[in-house]
Amino acid sequence: SQQGEEDPQALSIQEGENATMNCSYKTSINNLQWYRQNSGRGLVHLILIRSNEREKHSGRLRVTLDTSKKSSSLLITASRAADTASYFCATELFQGAQKLVFGQGTRLTINP
Amino acid sequence: KAGVTQTPRYLIKTRGQQVTLSCSPISGHRSVSWYQQTPGQGLQFLFEYFSETQRNKGNFPGRFSGRQFSNSRSEMNVSTLELGDSALYLCASSPGDGSSYEQYFGPGTRLTVT
Repeated sequence: SQQGEEDPQALSIQEGENATMNCSYKTSINNLQWYRQNSGRGLVHLILIRSNEREKHSGRLRVTLDTSKKSSSLLITASRAADTASYFCATELFQGAQKLVFGQGTRLTINP
Repeated sequence: KAGVTQTPRYLIKTRGQQVTLSCSPISGHRSVSWYQQTPGQGLQFLFEYFSETQRNKGNFPGRFSGRQFSNSRSEMNVSTLELGDSALYLCASSPGDGSSYEQYFGPGTRLTVT
């Protein structure tokens, strides 16, 4: 069963706008990670946030984590056509688990 | 460093056959995990190998098995294929020693069972 629920399932915006995706999970976690997947290919790791962190930045990406609400959000600023992809959150339940539990993903489309 | 490689990239099999997929991790990575991705169930964890030992296992039937070699390369095998086994199979590697938690994924093997 899926640990995470992602919202929205699909998002379509204009190039240059910001995109926000949300992820909720059910159990305590060690860390939460976001991945990108282009058209049924392999996943690319974007960013990891540990359970004791609240916010993290990487380039145009900003991730927040609220462990009290068991939720996370991924913000992509100044979107580009190349950002069109599916985005997945994944949780690692405990340190060293090496087992990621994925959400169903958000399909993001950037319109030129 | 070279990325994670998977072979073959595409495979077509018939029901009842068996299949073996291969994964070569990033050099120096000792952990290899396998995931199944389908439109209905999404991404699901199959198992993880570290230093030739299965360390974690997901909720898949015994028809799904794997192994890891001394050079960290891994194979997964699916016996008695069913139509529902059609999926994208992804492997991912990581150091596995707690030094880093990010996983690096290969391009996947797309298996079609007819």
